[in-house]
Parts: sequence; C-alpha cells; structure tokens
Amino acid sequence: NAGVTQTPKFQVLKTGQSMTLQCAQDMNHEYMSWYRQDPGMGLRLIHYSVGAGITDQGEVPNGYNVSRSTTEDFPLRLLSAAPSQTSVYFCASRDPVTNYGYTFGSGTRLTVV
Amino acid sequence: RKEVEQDPGPFNVPEGATVAFNCTYSNSASQSFFWYRQDCRKEPKLLMSVYSSGNEDGRFTAQLNRASQYISLLIRDSKLSDSATYLCVVNMDSNYQLIWGAGTKLIIKP
Repeated sequence: NAGVTQTPKFQVLKTGQSMTLQCAQDMNHEYMSWYRQDPGMGLRLIHYSVGAGITDQGEVPNGYNVSRSTTEDFPLRLLSAAPSQTSVYFCASRDPVTNYGYTFGSGTRLTVV
Repeated sequence: RKEVEQDPGPFNVPEGATVAFNCTYSNSASQSFFWYRQDCRKEPKLLMSVYSSGNEDGRFTAQLNRASQYISLLIRDSKLSDSATYLCVVNMDSNYQLIWGAGTKLIIKP
C-alpha cells in the first residue's frame, strides 16, 4: 500500500547509544518531516525537508540529525541517546501542490534507559 | 501562551449526541487550518481541512473565525467509533511548519 513506512516500531536504547530511525514514502512527496509526540503536548517538529538535498531544523532539533539523499527516504539519527528523548516519533510527508495535510507513518516508540 | 490551544478534555458524550470542540491560535497571519484524528497509540490522520467559508463532510462540520482566531469542529450524531483524540493544526503559507495543538480527547459512551 502507498504511504509512509517507518521502522522500527519499537526500540529500547541505553543512554549514550546511537541509532537511526528509518522513514520512506512512495507518494513522491517533496515535503517530509520528523515529529516527536510526548504526553500532554502537541506534536513538535524535529527536522524537515522540502526536497532531496535540503533539510532544516524544526522546533526541537538538538540531539538529532537528518539527511535527504532521495525523495523517498528521510532517516532520523539519534547521536547519543538521552532519557529525555524517550518519546513517540512520527515521520510524515506532504504534497505541497495539493496542500492536503500530512500523511504519517505508524510511529516509532522509543525508550531510552 | 501556546500558539495553538485546545481543551484537553476528555469529553464524555453519549452516543447520538452532538459535540463541539474549539481551538484557538495566536498568530493572526495563519493561513491553513486542519483537524486531525488520532486513535490511541496510532498515528494522526487527516480528518478535514478548514476553509474560510466553513465546510462539511458528512457528520462533521468545521468552521473558521479569523476575527476571534479560532476554529471549531462539530460532530453530529456521534458514533462509538468517533472516540479518539482530535488535533487542531495551523499553518502559515510562508512557513512549511505546522503548529499542533495538544488535542482534545473524545469518549463516546453507549
């Protein structure tokens, strides 16, 4: 099915470990974003990209890196995991031409111990 | 003040009732508005866009009040399956970033 695919669905990390959350979309959307969702708070933007080779920081970028080498893929790297990064992470993509809302992946539940 | 504010609820509503949510936003230059629905432990899904003249999609009606800077969502004849968290989202045309409310939780009771 077309959409946004995120892996893994669940992950437990130890403090200081690094890892990459994968995100891929097959809708040829130019815009892609990474959000984190914490209890009682709205989704907060970590990083976003408006096209291949272009990335920018969102509201809460510290501790995360991204790259966009292709239109389809937008991985999120945690450089040195901290307990404060325990959260649910969502990748999303959007077609700016139609201006429909974002399509989200199913999320990654990350726990840092 | 949060940029997008919603009553967190929960709203406990009997099946068949009508329920309304409001959402206020702080940036008067905001241009695009959306309602998303998020089921427990799932990803947000677009429910509907909100247009200046108001719009309806079946049992759902969305309205925008630019003067007072709020948007609303009305659900008529509520169903058990409407139980979810409803997220209000605001966007400026010149900004690729969306600003998300924390959501209003709705529980429909039989």
